[in-house]
Amino acid sequence: EVQLVESGGGLVQPGRSLRLSCEVSGFTFDDYAMHWVRQAPGKGLEWVSGITWNGGSTVYADSVKGRVTVSRDNAKNFLYLEMNSLRDEDTALYYCGKDGGPNFDWLIDNWGQGTLVSVS
Amino acid sequence: QSALTQLRSVSGSPGQSVTFSCTGSSRNIGGYDYISWYQKHPGKAPKLIIYDVNKRPSGVPARFSGSRSGNTASLTISGLQAEDEADYYCCSYVDTHRFMVFGGGTKLIV
Repeated sequence: EVQLVESGGGLVQPGRSLRLSCEVSGFTFDDYAMHWVRQAPGKGLEWVSGITWNGGSTVYADSVKGRVTVSRDNAKNFLYLEMNSLRDEDTALYYCGKDGGPNFDWLIDNWGQGTLVSVS
Repeated sequence: QSALTQLRSVSGSPGQSVTFSCTGSSRNIGGYDYISWYQKHPGKAPKLIIYDVNKRPSGVPARFSGSRSGNTASLTISGLQAEDEADYYCCSYVDTHRFMVFGGGTKLIV
């Protein structure tokens, strides 16, 4: 069974940093690209970032570019999202998700349950 | 303001069919087959229901179908059921930025 479990969220002051983690199991992690997606309270889904199977390519939404870094540890089956200079508008439930292929099929076929980031 | 436009809400009765639209441009919906749709119930994780315009993942009922005409993608649910009441999001690759973007979502009321 595919499982993705996010952690690392919490209450943080504006301007501070936070690192989110996503531990995966149930599939061969380094066969797939991965994504981060967020949902602010009362708002829709917003794609945040993606990373290819080996970390060779990373992509970011304009809203977070320059403040966020996505990375992965294939040996440990972990995906990370380092968030710096946090703003009020970064408050959201952050999901990690599995792509359909190693180099971005641009879909998310499995999702975690999310970790909540509150910036205040 | 998302690059993909969806209606705020749609309603239908059990047994009926409803269609969701998602309008973009030639730089996303109209130019690439990387179109997906997600169902999201409150408090639950999103679920992939359509990918590559019209393909269904295993386990998704055949009453969910996807299509595209020009710069507009559509999701149709036939034989509406009460449990279909949820938010539905379209998603597409965007070549101007080389990333993906979600539409604003449509709330389905059954």
